[in-house]
Amino acid sequence: DTAVSQTPKYLVTQMGNDKSIKCEQNLGHDTMYWYKQDSKKFLKIMFSYNNKELIINETVPNRFSPKSPDKAHLNLHINSLELGDSAVYFCASSQEGPQNEKLFFGSGTQLSVL
Amino acid sequence: KQEVTQIPAALSVPEGENLVLNCSFTDSAIYNLQWFRQDPGKGLTSLLLIQSSQREQTSGRLNASLDKSSGRSTLYIAASQPGDSATYLCAVAGGSYIPTFGRGTSLIVHP
Repeated sequence: DTAVSQTPKYLVTQMGNDKSIKCEQNLGHDTMYWYKQDSKKFLKIMFSYNNKELIINETVPNRFSPKSPDKAHLNLHINSLELGDSAVYFCASSQEGPQNEKLFFGSGTQLSVL
Repeated sequence: KQEVTQIPAALSVPEGENLVLNCSFTDSAIYNLQWFRQDPGKGLTSLLLIQSSQREQTSGRLNASLDKSSGRSTLYIAASQPGDSATYLCAVAGGSYIPTFGRGTSLIVHP
């Protein structure tokens, strides 16, 4: 069983479109994250979310929004896609924030904006 | 703001060598530090997690140490194998509890 799964694995779309990436974890974790990995392989946090708090990296454009229908899911919605949004997006989860627990990652979604 | 630096950026070694990968961080007020492995086109796999109260963790041929006061961690890989070839990343969780990543060390172990 995959602990953190995200779909789709590949997403190719035109500039200006709106798209979503889904993420689900079956670990019972309280906290989920979205990271962006750029072309130089640098991972930057976008969002951290648990039942109580959404923490947004201030550098993330408001075209990006996380949506959590329940504790096991954190989807990423992107409006008005731009060329610079092309990257690999990773979902991750941990229990009660990462003070004591390992971070588990999904396999990533490669987004290409044409 | 926490900044995490990994040295070297890339490393190519023959099979069998013992390796040391370095990670440094600017803010010593951390909760934990994790080492990850990333294979091409794949997600990240957590290798070792060291809590702020610990000095080291070991798993098989891997040993990670933490010196919080000096802002440093090392990942020691014993008797390297071609299957160890991957990018190794370190991530530090501080006051916000959100892990901040370094840029990674790309390791190639050739037969």
